[in-house]
Amino acid sequence: QQPVQSPQAVILREGEDAVINCSSSKALYSVHWYRQKHGEAPVFLMILLKGGEQKGHDKISASFNEKKQQSSLYLTASQLSYSGTYFCGTDLSNGNKLVFGAGTILRVKS
Amino acid sequence: EAQVTQNPRYLITVTGKKLTVTCSQNMNHEYMSWYRQDPGLGLRQIYYSMNVEVTDKGDVPEGYKVSRKEKRNFPLILESPSPNQTSLYFCASSLSLTGDGYTFGSGTRLTVV
Repeated sequence: QQPVQSPQAVILREGEDAVINCSSSKALYSVHWYRQKHGEAPVFLMILLKGGEQKGHDKISASFNEKKQQSSLYLTASQLSYSGTYFCGTDLSNGNKLVFGAGTILRVKS
Repeated sequence: EAQVTQNPRYLITVTGKKLTVTCSQNMNHEYMSWYRQDPGLGLRQIYYSMNVEVTDKGDVPEGYKVSRKEKRNFPLILESPSPNQTSLYFCASSLSLTGDGYTFGSGTRLTVV
């Protein structure tokens, strides 16, 4: 079952923050986050495993609430290079299959 | 360089003419998968493979076949392509979905007329 991402699109100015949410109706083993720039392949950002952990690198971090079956991606002090489509991928079967959401288009303006 | 290589990058074909899109990875990854990407629908999984000779259907397997005879290769076969299979296709591989993400190939844009 495809996870639901929100918002569908967001426009920011450089330096602003954004949150992208991903929710599932089923129990999750893990959540992946990817970014895809126009005309390119998706690129892996991070994985969050069961346990409610928060991960981050640079100014992009994420949390995973397994009880609520939700994950959120936090982008702080956004840069032009953050523009792209962000996908969450949910693993329902402990490593056998990854189902992606429809994506969130993020555009950062100068 | 560690990578997933798909060929061809672009393909225009006619309805009913069998085609194969090749995918090869040089990272000794166990997991491989095929996704199609259509506007507004995100990435939808066609088939995936957990190891050599082990494959399973994803969410949209109709009209596609795969095989995994060697660890590095995971070709996608369209026996009788139809216009509704016009899409952008991605192959991806991973060492472990519980510890690593997918590495995606560059994509194959297929048009069926």
